[in-house]
Amino acid sequence: AIQMTQSPSSLSASVGDRVTITCRASQGIRNDLGWYQQKPGKAPNLLIYAASSLQSGVPSRFSGSGSGTDFTLTISSLQPEDFATYYCLQDYNYPWTFGQGTKVEIK
Amino acid sequence: QVQLQESGPGLVKPSETLSLTCTVSGGSISSHYWSWIRQPPGKGLEWIGYISYSGSTNYNPSLNSRVTISIDTSKNQFSLKLSSVTAADTAVYYCARRVPYCSGGSCYSLLDVWGKGTTVTVSS
Repeated sequence: AIQMTQSPSSLSASVGDRVTITCRASQGIRNDLGWYQQKPGKAPNLLIYAASSLQSGVPSRFSGSGSGTDFTLTISSLQPEDFATYYCLQDYNYPWTFGQGTKVEIK
Repeated sequence: QVQLQESGPGLVKPSETLSLTCTVSGGSISSHYWSWIRQPPGKGLEWIGYISYSGSTNYNPSLNSRVTISIDTSKNQFSLKLSSVTAADTAVYYCARRVPYCSGGSCYSLLDVWGKGTTVTVSS
């Protein structure tokens, strides 16, 4: 199975900060990658698909980039509602695998 | 607006079979693929498998042969069965809709609608 490694595992940031989360695949996955946001006690919510396409209804401060093995999720100006855990998910081949998650906390 | 709702027992005894159902409302189950994902307490997400509207399946090998996903289009439901459960199967179980997105000759899969999740505890 393809391993997805996210970094950092957690970070502290302030409202208005630019935040970057990375996800590295153990082998090339083209751009078959999505990013999901999960708030405590809630189901994950799709933010980005195909590495860089913004899901309908998701604020434009979220963006994704990358291809092959290295991917990035960027929040351009962190808002109070963005404090959550973020997961990457590869859908290049089966079994689909998630990163271990990155928890974004208030500084 | 498509909505998904998981249902099933919240407590299962060790060695028994966990059975969950996901009911799809606001849309037809016969036009997409459907997935199960789980999350142990305090841990990350694990993809369990998917089923297509025609009944084809793909499962996570980490669950070996313990998992079965089925679909009932007449009831707009799909189901998960996980046999021989242990405490390690204690988790929140989510169902989700998988939709395709194709562009530039490549196709991708999105999990765009999720149920709220149901907690299953394995304990005697």
